Amino acid sequence: DAEITQSPRHKITETGRQVTLACHQTWNHNNMFWYRQDLGHGLRLIHYSYGVHDTNKGEVSDGYSVSRSNTEDLPLTLESAASSQTSVYFCASSVGLQETQYFGPGTRLLVL
Amino acid sequence: SQQGEEDPQALSIQEGENATMNCSYKTSINNLQWYRQNSGRGLVHLILIRSNEREKHSGRLRVTLDTSKKSSSLLITASRAADTASYFCATFASGGSYIPTFGRGTSLIVHP
Repeated sequence: DAEITQSPRHKITETGRQVTLACHQTWNHNNMFWYRQDLGHGLRLIHYSYGVHDTNKGEVSDGYSVSRSNTEDLPLTLESAASSQTSVYFCASSVGLQETQYFGPGTRLLVL
Repeated sequence: SQQGEEDPQALSIQEGENATMNCSYKTSINNLQWYRQNSGRGLVHLILIRSNEREKHSGRLRVTLDTSKKSSSLLITASRAADTASYFCATFASGGSYIPTFGRGTSLIVHP
């Protein structure tokens, strides 16, 4: 069955370190998204991609970057982790624009 | 700012009762989607309703959309303890933006 996976599921890191969160989908979806979820804020869009080599900034992109070298993967990099980036991160994909999004299980990140 | 806002923020009911949650939004939309999130898990798509639709059903779920009032409601009939989760609406604005905006969610607790 097609799925979307994220790794690691839990990560503890220190302030200033570079961290990369992986997202892999086997749906063959062109559209992929990264969100963060914090209490009181709901889900906020970080970056998104409509296809290979396409990346776009979302609402809260500062301090984050993504790259899309193939259809299946959209890794999210925190260039220099900050305590404010402690959050739960979700990756999602969709087959069409403005269509149903399929979410991964999430990565819980703690920045000390 | 949040495009979609769910109401109430929290809802506590007994098994067998109906649960109704609402979503209000600010700008014109192409479609609105409802998602469920169980504790510690990713979001799962429930229903997508397009701007030219007024009501959709899926099993025990009924979604209505009133574009004149810029609001939607999700009704869960004959609720079960397994319906305990957070419920989010996501709106896709019309006019060329293809990214979703999620509300902060309604936390539903169904007591057995």
